[in-house]
Amino acid sequence: AQRVTQPEKLLSVFKGAPVELKCNYSYSGSPELFWYVQYSRQRLQLLLRHISRESIKGFTADLNKGETSFHLKKPFAQEEDSAMYYCALSLVGGNMLTFGGGTRLMVKP
Amino acid sequence: DGGITQSPKYLFRKEGQNVTLSCEQNLNHDAMYWYRQDPGQGLRLIYYSQIVNDFQKGDIAEGYSVSREKKESFPLTVTSAQKNPTAFYLCASSTRGSSGNTIYFGEGSWLTVV
Repeated sequence: AQRVTQPEKLLSVFKGAPVELKCNYSYSGSPELFWYVQYSRQRLQLLLRHISRESIKGFTADLNKGETSFHLKKPFAQEEDSAMYYCALSLVGGNMLTFGGGTRLMVKP
Repeated sequence: DGGITQSPKYLFRKEGQNVTLSCEQNLNHDAMYWYRQDPGQGLRLIYYSQIVNDFQKGDIAEGYSVSREKKESFPLTVTSAQKNPTAFYLCASSTRGSSGNTIYFGEGSWLTVV
């Protein structure tokens, strides 16, 4: 069965510092990977997906099949980035997502 | 306005009572899900349904039940057998588009057992 692991429950950085939220997955096939974000008092929403190769709000994530990782990165963190971040996996051709446990990012002024 | 609607937003329940959380979507999505979120913890899958009249247990299905009689609706019943039901419950639905799988979440329901 597929599994998504986010090793850090809490990540605290200062404004302007680089940030990397780690995500590792286990699945023998070719998955689709996503990052979801939940800001305070808002719905959980899609941040980005690996197949789009996009940068959203300065965040990027590269799928590394060799290391089975999909880490989320931003070179300069902003206070408004403070939120709960979830990494998720979907099997290619499937429509069900498996979520990691989430990482709370706190960006201090 | 399309989306996922969960109700009620806040619910109090006495111990030993069953309670049903409503989830309705008008997005024409085939798949629907129920997650539980405890303070400081991540999402845990309770049940999911990939098509009408079919559903599967997730990681923490014990003490919960669901039905999927209509595509738009996926109610969750928290039974008295659930040992620790106080939590935040999230409903979601998903579809596959040309750019991949997209899941949409409701605003959630807070359940407190008193």
